[in-house]
Amino acid sequence: EAQVTQNPRYLITVTGKKLTVTCSQNMNHEYMSWYRQDPGLGLRQIYYSMNVEVTDKGDVPEGYKVSRKEKRNFPLILESPSPNQTSLYFCASSPRAGKAFFGQGTRLTVV
Amino acid sequence: QKEVEQNSGPLSVPEGAIASLNCTYSDRGSQSFFWYRQYSGKSPELIMFIYSNGDKEDGRFTAQLNKASQYVSLLIRDSQPSDSATYLCAVGRDNQGGKLIFGQGTELSVKP
Repeated sequence: EAQVTQNPRYLITVTGKKLTVTCSQNMNHEYMSWYRQDPGLGLRQIYYSMNVEVTDKGDVPEGYKVSRKEKRNFPLILESPSPNQTSLYFCASSPRAGKAFFGQGTRLTVV
Repeated sequence: QKEVEQNSGPLSVPEGAIASLNCTYSDRGSQSFFWYRQYSGKSPELIMFIYSNGDKEDGRFTAQLNKASQYVSLLIRDSQPSDSATYLCAVGRDNQGGKLIFGQGTELSVKP
């Protein structure tokens, strides 16, 4: 089954404790992205990648890191999470820009 | 001015009516346009995309693009209660690869 898999689905953590949200796709897509979704602010792109070892900033990259060492994986790293990073996070992959398949989402709470 | 703007709604239509969802964008360099549907508590899913001026139809859905007016719309004919969801407009600039800008979404409610 074609899918984008994110883990974990839910995470509560404390301020400053490094965390990684994993994302994996099995569709051999070139493009992958991370978004955060907040009430009243909609979906905002954090980072995107057009291929292995090629990443670029989206609209809200501050406080986040990504890497694309393999085509199928695109982890999101929060080196020192803060409460303002409490959000619903989505990973997406696409065969070309825009036609995104989204993962199930990760609800992150930073206390 | 936001790059991609949508009325947040909620937009309420009776079952069987046409629902019209609108989106404007500010960057004239935008080249690709997408509509996603997001049910409450679920992930967005792509329902329509359009690249050229004019209309594009797929079943009960029609996407309309007017680049001169920087306007894209989604029409849903014969609306059903199962169409009740938030509809997200997204705009891409192919010269920026995977960069995609979303509007805030319009909540649609179809009343039986």
